[in-house]
Amino acid sequence: QSVLTQPPSASGTPGQRVIISCSGSSSNTGRNSVYWYQQLPGTAPKLLIYSNNQRPSGVPDRFSASKSGTSASLAISGLRSEDEADYYCAAWDDSLSGFYVFGTGTKVTVL
Amino acid sequence: QVQLQQWGAGLLKPSETLSLSCGVFGGSFSGYYWIWIRQPPGKGLEWIGDISNDGYTDYNPSLESRATISIDKSKNQFSLDLNSVTSADTAVYYCARGQYNSREYFQHWGQGALVTVSS
Repeated sequence: QSVLTQPPSASGTPGQRVIISCSGSSSNTGRNSVYWYQQLPGTAPKLLIYSNNQRPSGVPDRFSASKSGTSASLAISGLRSEDEADYYCAAWDDSLSGFYVFGTGTKVTVL
Repeated sequence: QVQLQQWGAGLLKPSETLSLSCGVFGGSFSGYYWIWIRQPPGKGLEWIGDISNDGYTDYNPSLESRATISIDKSKNQFSLDLNSVTSADTAVYYCARGQYNSREYFQHWGQGALVTVSS
């Protein structure tokens, strides 16, 4: 039921910068904040970014995010092996009675 | 530091009711939103619904007819019931906490519980 579209995969070598896109619509990312979650293999997701570009305490500043119109992006700078994970964008969708939608997910591989 | 611990039956037959509970330890229970999310094997995340401290619920339209989220403030726990399950409901189910008086994002998660539906 994902209504936020992400590329299925992204990769880079250690130290490189990787950017993940998230495309939504006027009912979700176009009018509401975007959030990003990181899911390491076999673990629960972890909040990485809230309110489009804010990092919770403890999240390295190598992770940054932005939003423009109905699209958002997450950038990982100085890629490290421990960044290999699935990344999901998310937003509230104001259609119907309102519900939370996740992106399709992007698998980041560190080469 | 708040911790969420989940429990419930892990193997169900089609048409049965899935029941999971999530206990909250080490933090305040009152005033927060409590959420259920699931993830089918090898697939992405799906928001099931949430409940406010006052007991107001909101559900994913795709599951609204089958899902019920309830809260027991006396035990600092909340629960999910999903009736008439099919194999499509096989997933890891997560409980999570929103913010105080807000449900914008989820910073605290349970460990996840795999529920398998199979005849």
